[in-house]
Amino acid sequence: DAGVIQSPRHEVTEMGQEVTLRCKPISGHNSLFWYRQTMMRGLELLIYFNNNVPIDDSGMPEDRFSAKMPNASFSTLKIQPSEPRDSAVYFCASSLGGRAKNIQYFGAGTRLSVL
Amino acid sequence: KQEVTQIPAALSVPEGENLVLNCSFTDSAIYNLQWFRQDPGKGLTSLLLIQSSQREQTSGRLNASLDKSSGRSTLYIAASQPGDSATYLCAVRSSGYSTLTFGKGTMLLVSP
Repeated sequence: DAGVIQSPRHEVTEMGQEVTLRCKPISGHNSLFWYRQTMMRGLELLIYFNNNVPIDDSGMPEDRFSAKMPNASFSTLKIQPSEPRDSAVYFCASSLGGRAKNIQYFGAGTRLSVL
Repeated sequence: KQEVTQIPAALSVPEGENLVLNCSFTDSAIYNLQWFRQDPGKGLTSLLLIQSSQREQTSGRLNASLDKSSGRSTLYIAASQPGDSATYLCAVRSSGYSTLTFGKGTMLLVSP
């Protein structure tokens, strides 16, 4: 398996623009997580899906952020409008489900710079 | 709310040294604890997962211990090598939750 695939790897945009980050989880995994990593705050969970259904979105910073999972093999994280403080590395991870033993597998991340 | 702290934030050692990275968490009601490795510009790779009922896990030169009652875990790296240079993150899955709470990591540099 190719692992968790994220695109793009790097995104540079101007303030106010819409940004869409994409994630393809590992085939067969039914849980998907979006994280944001910054120097100041470390790695923070934004939203978690189980069987394509959002379970916990308490980490989504504000209404400018939205995430969807239309099917088991694809998810998007959208920021509209983007702001400079959204600059960070965004990671997607997947796992086999809600069982306690399951390890999360991370993608390589998308480095977002909002100018 | 679970909080995870890692000490030290950065560590520099010469090759061959044995070293210990520390992780502490505030709520001892956990399912498991994981140690991850992150290389610059890359994602996270899971190194070891310890269930709440376990005291330690070993993989090669890595040994992770868990003392749930005191809210502590350590990652021991034996005979460190330059290839071990990376950031090591500790993450806790609390009871009743399906998500992980991460520490900010320890940045390790092993010099030849």
